[in-house]
Amino acid sequence: DAGVTQSPTHLIKTRGQQVTLRCSPKSGHDTVSWYQQALGQGPQFIFQYYEEEERQRGNFPDRFSGHQFPNYSSELNVNALLLGDSALYLCASSGSGGIQETQYFGPGTRLLVL
Amino acid sequence: EDQVTQSPEALRLQEGESSSLNCSYTVSGLRGLFWYRQDPGKGPEFLFTLYSAGEEKEKERLKATLTKKESFLHITAPKPEDSATYLCAVFNQAGTALIFGKGTTLSVSS
Repeated sequence: DAGVTQSPTHLIKTRGQQVTLRCSPKSGHDTVSWYQQALGQGPQFIFQYYEEEERQRGNFPDRFSGHQFPNYSSELNVNALLLGDSALYLCASSGSGGIQETQYFGPGTRLLVL
Repeated sequence: EDQVTQSPEALRLQEGESSSLNCSYTVSGLRGLFWYRQDPGKGPEFLFTLYSAGEEKEKERLKATLTKKESFLHITAPKPEDSATYLCAVFNQAGTALIFGKGTTLSVSS
């Protein structure tokens, strides 16, 4: 049973560029959440997608946007990259609509902005 | 404001030296407290979910307990392979977003 997968594993961008990160949820899961983890910090919630819509959003600017596809996979887009966007981006999936359900994390995408 | 605080930030143990990690939380109505293990550069790996005070769960050398204000992760006779960062998290009021502490980095030497 494949777990949560993310691509790419690493990415280097320059300030002002745009980036797209991808996530495939664990088999049977229908909800995807995205988190940003800076070095030495715990993950910070960006947003959650369910039924192809953004259900809840954390304290992140509009430069961060996402999408969920009919097969439940998801993308995270970040526009106008800043140096401070350098972090590990984590995708987590959960089942049964995602409310109060255990979230299982993927390996993450390491983004470096120069 | 919902908040999670973990202590200590770092813990060094000798192999076989048991200890505990602390997670204190402030949330309006607990909807689940989670422990994850994270190895460097990797995603968090789910360990336990606790829902109510008095609940305990065990897995190998790890045991998680929960009170109304805090949770403990007890590590019995740790081995070097237990070295990792242990993260504690609670759900927000909507039950959608996990609120994490900064983690405790555990190093076990042989």
